[in-house]
Amino acid sequence: AQSVTQPDIHITVSEGASLELRCNYSYGATPYLFWYVQSPGQGLQLLLKYFSGDTLVQGIKGFEAEFKRSQSSFNLRKPSVHWSDAAEYFCAVVSFREGYSTLTFGKGTMLLVSP
Amino acid sequence: GAGVSQSPSNKVTEKGKDVELRCDPISGHTALYWYRQSLGQGLEFLIYFQGNSAPDKSGLPSDRFSAERTGGSVSTLTIQRTQQEDSAVYLCASGLVVNTEAFFGQGTRLTVV
Repeated sequence: AQSVTQPDIHITVSEGASLELRCNYSYGATPYLFWYVQSPGQGLQLLLKYFSGDTLVQGIKGFEAEFKRSQSSFNLRKPSVHWSDAAEYFCAVVSFREGYSTLTFGKGTMLLVSP
Repeated sequence: GAGVSQSPSNKVTEKGKDVELRCDPISGHTALYWYRQSLGQGLEFLIYFQGNSAPDKSGLPSDRFSAERTGGSVSTLTIQRTQQEDSAVYLCASGLVVNTEAFFGQGTRLTVV
């Protein structure tokens, strides 16, 4: 079965600095990949997705992610972090079973933004 | 509705009682997911519906948990004889079809005392 690893549980970034959140997946073929953000007390909001095509995908709120097949990675980036970006970020992959598929999440990375 | 709606938003129940959590997906969405989110545990997959059928129930933690979906729309997650370890946020998501992005509700925060 497919799986997702987010190696960083917490990351602290200064406001205005750049950000990169790591995500590694395990899957043999081209995966369907997502990044979601969850603000405190809120549900999850989709930031961006990759299905095929251009490996650099743009999302909302100034985020982008790059699919690298050779590294089995789909890291999330933002050039300049704002205090409002403090939240928990989840990487997800579509998992294929026999006859159906579902959505598997990593354990999340909590982003803290310092002044 | 405009988004996925879950009710109640908060539920406090006594240990041993049964609870029902409701999810109203976005109209027309055939895929529906239930996840459980505990502090520091990420999102734990519970069950997935495609239409009214649930091809994957493997995530349900025990036989005290069950879920159904009727009319390809509303879904109910039922927890019988609740235990303190059931305390968590239960998230529902829906998607047009599988393999597309899932849209999440705000969740139901369940506290078992």
